[in-house]
Amino acid sequence: AQTVTQSQPEMSVQEAETVTLSCTYDTSESDYYLFWYKQPPSRQMILVIRQEAYKQQNATENRFSVNFQKAAKSFSLKISDSQLGDAAMYFCAYRGPMNYGGSQGNLIFGKGTKLSVKP
Amino acid sequence: DTAVSQTPKYLVTQMGNDKSIKCEQNLGHDTMYWYKQDSKKFLKIMFSYNNKELIINETVPNRFSPKSPDKAHLNLHINSLELGDSAVYFCASSQERTDGYEQYFGPGTRLTVT
Repeated sequence: AQTVTQSQPEMSVQEAETVTLSCTYDTSESDYYLFWYKQPPSRQMILVIRQEAYKQQNATENRFSVNFQKAAKSFSLKISDSQLGDAAMYFCAYRGPMNYGGSQGNLIFGKGTKLSVKP
Repeated sequence: DTAVSQTPKYLVTQMGNDKSIKCEQNLGHDTMYWYKQDSKKFLKIMFSYNNKELIINETVPNRFSPKSPDKAHLNLHINSLELGDSAVYFCASSQERTDGYEQYFGPGTRLTVT
């Protein structure tokens, strides 16, 4: 079964600095999708960034970028120029390959990393 | 024009009661999901459903049942509520077989069983 591991329960960063959140996963599939979701205190789940496993290029979205290491099954999130509004729980999530429906379509989440941003 | 909506956002009820949480999506997606987030913030799939197939996570008690009157709705019914059912329940939707498979989440329903 696929698993997702976030080894950092809590992280802290100074405003305007850079922080990296770690995520590793386990799967026997070669084609899959990886996501980072942000959950602020409002509890709304917000998609931050996604990565298709077949793409070698690391995804970027403004201040957010990933370091996707497929062989190592690692998918870390880098937040540059951290802002107070970045404070939230961050969840790494895995989704199985495209050609399967049903359970393969579900997101498998890590336990989350709580990010604090210090002014 | 909320993409995925849930009602109610808060639900407080007593043990043994039966309750429902409604979910609606206006994105035209063909697949909907229910996730449970426990007190430690861990998110776990409960159900996934499209117009062809319902997939139930084997760990979900049969007191929980999803009901879909149409493609835009997937409601969650819970019978004989227990203290351990207290959690935040999220509905989500996606369009299968499209690039990205992004799942759009509702705002969550915080269920408290007393």
